[in-house]
Amino acid sequence: DTGVSQDPRHKITKRGQNVTFRCDPISEHNRLYWYRQTLGQGPEFLTYFQNEAQLEKSRLLSDRFSAERPKGSFSTLEIQRTEQGDSAMYLCASSLDRRRETFGSGTRLTVV
Amino acid sequence: GENVEQHPSTLSVQEGDSAVIKCTYSDSASNYFPWYKQELGKRPQLIIDIRSNVGEKKDQRIAVTLNKTAKHFSLHITETQPEDSAVYFCAASMGSGGYQKVTFGTGTKLQVIP
Repeated sequence: DTGVSQDPRHKITKRGQNVTFRCDPISEHNRLYWYRQTLGQGPEFLTYFQNEAQLEKSRLLSDRFSAERPKGSFSTLEIQRTEQGDSAMYLCASSLDRRRETFGSGTRLTVV
Repeated sequence: GENVEQHPSTLSVQEGDSAVIKCTYSDSASNYFPWYKQELGKRPQLIIDIRSNVGEKKDQRIAVTLNKTAKHFSLHITETQPEDSAVYFCAASMGSGGYQKVTFGTGTKLQVIP
């Protein structure tokens, strides 16, 4: 599969623990996006990278959240001191310039 | 910021009938309107999109219309089939400073009854 890959697919963690998710975009895509999706809702934009530069962060992205894309290829999203409200599907997407985004299958986070 | 409203939230149609999903957006600067289909437990997949310089676009059984003046756009699925059953999301996006932020609607769960 040469699409967008996300790892892990599922993560169960205890409240207060830190978690890190990884996204590998389509290789030639220079733009990478993170979204959060809760049950019954549409994806909510979290942050966006163009190459290695993080160009926008949503107000949803509290100081417990941090995202990186160090070499302009894969990206990581870290959540520190997880809370039950962080339980959601975290989706990564990538695109080439301003063209259509391709989504990954997501990482489902459950905070217990 | 942009606000996208979508309705209905659920829609049941008989196989072979048409389905229409409507969305409105708030920011007149939005210029790109994609539609995504998401099956249960799977990723959103782009099914059709339209740019603000076009009023209508069709791809086989799927068509999208855009009314910029009224700031609304619609998805039309004709001759529905059971495999069309999924959640459909509209979205609006604007290019600004070289990037585009996509705002999604809340989704329409479409059920096609065989």
